[in-house]
Amino acid sequence: DARVTQTPRHKVTEMGQEVTMRCQPILGHNTVFWYRQTMMQGLELLAYFRNRAPLDDSGMPKDRFSAEMPDATLATLKIQPSEPRDSAVYFCASGSGQGVRMNTEAFFGQGTRLTVV
Amino acid sequence: QKEVEQDPGPLSVPEGAIVSLNCTYSNSAFQYFMWYRQYSRKGPELLMYTYSSGNKEDGRFTAQVDKSSKYISLFIRDSQPSDSATYLCAMEDDYKLSFGAGTTVTVRA
Repeated sequence: DARVTQTPRHKVTEMGQEVTMRCQPILGHNTVFWYRQTMMQGLELLAYFRNRAPLDDSGMPKDRFSAEMPDATLATLKIQPSEPRDSAVYFCASGSGQGVRMNTEAFFGQGTRLTVV
Repeated sequence: QKEVEQDPGPLSVPEGAIVSLNCTYSNSAFQYFMWYRQYSRKGPELLMYTYSSGNKEDGRFTAQVDKSSKYISLFIRDSQPSDSATYLCAMEDDYKLSFGAGTTVTVRA
């Protein structure tokens, strides 16, 4: 059963702490997206990787957020230091394909629900 | 003003009714148009995608795109309680997806 796996599913942390979210894309997929979902802003693209290389992270606050793909089976999103306004659901999505059209077949994980108090 | 506007609802309909959802957009560069369904506490899943203006049908679902009016629609025929979810429209410019706010739909048995 191929699926995008995200851990942890839930995270409650205190302001100022480091938060690391992990994503295992579907085996064989070469693109990975990180999205953030809030009631106010909806789904926002934070970062995009293709073949493990970061292609776009313009949606990500650079001073505190970082995204990496240490290998093809793992993508990470880190927040340091975390702030209450970072509270949201963070989704990872993966897909395959050579061109931009792969985006139409992006598969989403179940998300990490982050609460910063 | 957001690039993609979608009425968040909520929308409540009786079982068997037709559900009509729509989005408007402002970016003429959007080429692909998608509808995602998101159940509570789950990730979005792709329902349908269309390219350029016209209709596309898949079972009980019909997606319409009118690029001249910058307007897209999703119709669900013979709605079922299992269709209760949030429906998000999404549009692609290059690789970036811009999502609507999502419309929460409840189908009453």
